[in-house]
Amino acid sequence: GQNIDQPTEMTATEGAIVQINCTYQTSGFNGLFWYQQHAGEAPTFLSYNVLDGLEEKGRFSSFLSRSKGYSYLLLKELQMKDSASYLCAASGYSTLTFGKGTMLLVSP
Amino acid sequence: ETGVTQTPRHLVMGMTNKKSLKCEQHLGHNAMYWYKQSAKKPLELMFVYNFKEQTENNSVPSRFSPECPNSSHLFLHLHTLQPEDSALYLCASSQAPRVGAITEAFFGQGTRLTVV
Repeated sequence: GQNIDQPTEMTATEGAIVQINCTYQTSGFNGLFWYQQHAGEAPTFLSYNVLDGLEEKGRFSSFLSRSKGYSYLLLKELQMKDSASYLCAASGYSTLTFGKGTMLLVSP
Repeated sequence: ETGVTQTPRHLVMGMTNKKSLKCEQHLGHNAMYWYKQSAKKPLELMFVYNFKEQTENNSVPSRFSPECPNSSHLFLHLHTLQPEDSALYLCASSQAPRVGAITEAFFGQGTRLTVV
């Protein structure tokens, strides 16, 4: 079966650090993706993890623990433009299964 | 420009109408997908095509009919829809997925569909 769980909403202030958690149960799991989606726009790829550990990409980092079925997205030095929905997606067998997304609101 | 283009961007249709959504990708991918995104719900996979063959139909009602004439084009034909079908319909493409392979999906901008 497929099940992805992440918080519905988070708030943070400009310049801060925020961590968005995701737990998953996915048949044939082979990787974890994070996408960013601004209101009314298409999701855009941020990162993916195949092996356990931390992948760093500028202000964004993503972590994976396959044994725990757990991932997080870490956003540093938050900017107003980071206000968006962040989608966790688990890749298994032939497709991606998405969570409901976490709406991040960044305030001044 | 995402490499995946969807038309139209917005569509309003009555319950007795027939319309089609179009998706085109210029990324050389072999797999294409239709997703539905309703308010406050996760992206729901509807259909998957690999090398023009439908490999997945996620229990989608027959009022939605996909067509994939080649690896670059994907259509979603709509007829006798219900108001609850109003949603954002997203097309995506990727390299042909296989067991053990990562399949990053690239999305189009979506078609905002309203059924009245």
